[in-house]
Amino acid sequence: DSGVTQTPKHLITATGQRVTLRCSPRSGDLSVYWYQQSLDQGLQFLIQYYNGEERAKGNILERFSAQQFPDLHSELNLSSLELGDSALYFCASSVGGRGYTFGSGTRLTVV
Amino acid sequence: AQKVTQAQTEISVVEKEDVTLDCVYETRDTTYYLFWYKQPPSGELVFLIRRNSFDEQNEISGRYSWNFQKSTSSFNFTITASQVVDSAVYFCALYTGTASKLTFGTGTRLQVTL
Repeated sequence: DSGVTQTPKHLITATGQRVTLRCSPRSGDLSVYWYQQSLDQGLQFLIQYYNGEERAKGNILERFSAQQFPDLHSELNLSSLELGDSALYFCASSVGGRGYTFGSGTRLTVV
Repeated sequence: AQKVTQAQTEISVVEKEDVTLDCVYETRDTTYYLFWYKQPPSGELVFLIRRNSFDEQNEISGRYSWNFQKSTSSFNFTITASQVVDSAVYFCALYTGTASKLTFGTGTRLQVTL
C-alpha cells in the first residue's frame, strides 16, 4: 500500500457520460498530481493542486476539471466522455519534488 | 523545458542476462531529481529509485544498479541476472522546480523469457 488511495479501480461508462475519479493523498502530502496513461502512450501530466489551489496545468482537456478539497483529497471530473478518453488515470502526491508516491490508478473504459 | 528520452522502446532478453535501460534527460535547472519507476502488467507504478542532481554516486540495490552521469545527462538502469518477474515497462522521470511536475520518458518495455 503506497498510502495514496484512488477510487474506483475500474470504471466502465458510455460515451457522453460524466465520471468522477477520487484520490486521497498520502498523509502529510499537500500536493496532488493527476496523470493520464492512454494505451501505448506515456504518462501525460494533467494538473497539479497544492493545498487546495491549482499550481500547474498540463495537457488537460476543457472537458476535464479537477479540484482539491480542504481535507486534501482530490477529484478529477471527466465529462462528455469519448472513446479516446479510455485510459489509466493516476494520482500522485508529494512533498516538494523529493517524494512522489503514486496510487494504483483508475482504469477508465469508455464504450 | 524539461525532457526525458528513453530511446529503447522494447528490449527482449533471456533470463540471467544483464540488461541496461538508457535514460537521457534535458533541463536547465541545476537542482533536479531523477526517478525510475516500474510498471508491471498489473498496471501500478512501482517506485524504484530517486536521485538528486548533487549526488552522482552510483547505487546498487540487489540486482538493480543505477549509473548517474551529469556530464552526459544520463541516468541508466541496469538489471543483473534478469528474471522473468522483471518483465515490465520501466519509466525514467525528471522533476524540476521550474516545471513543478514529474516529466516521464516514453518507457522501455522489458521482456524476460526463459
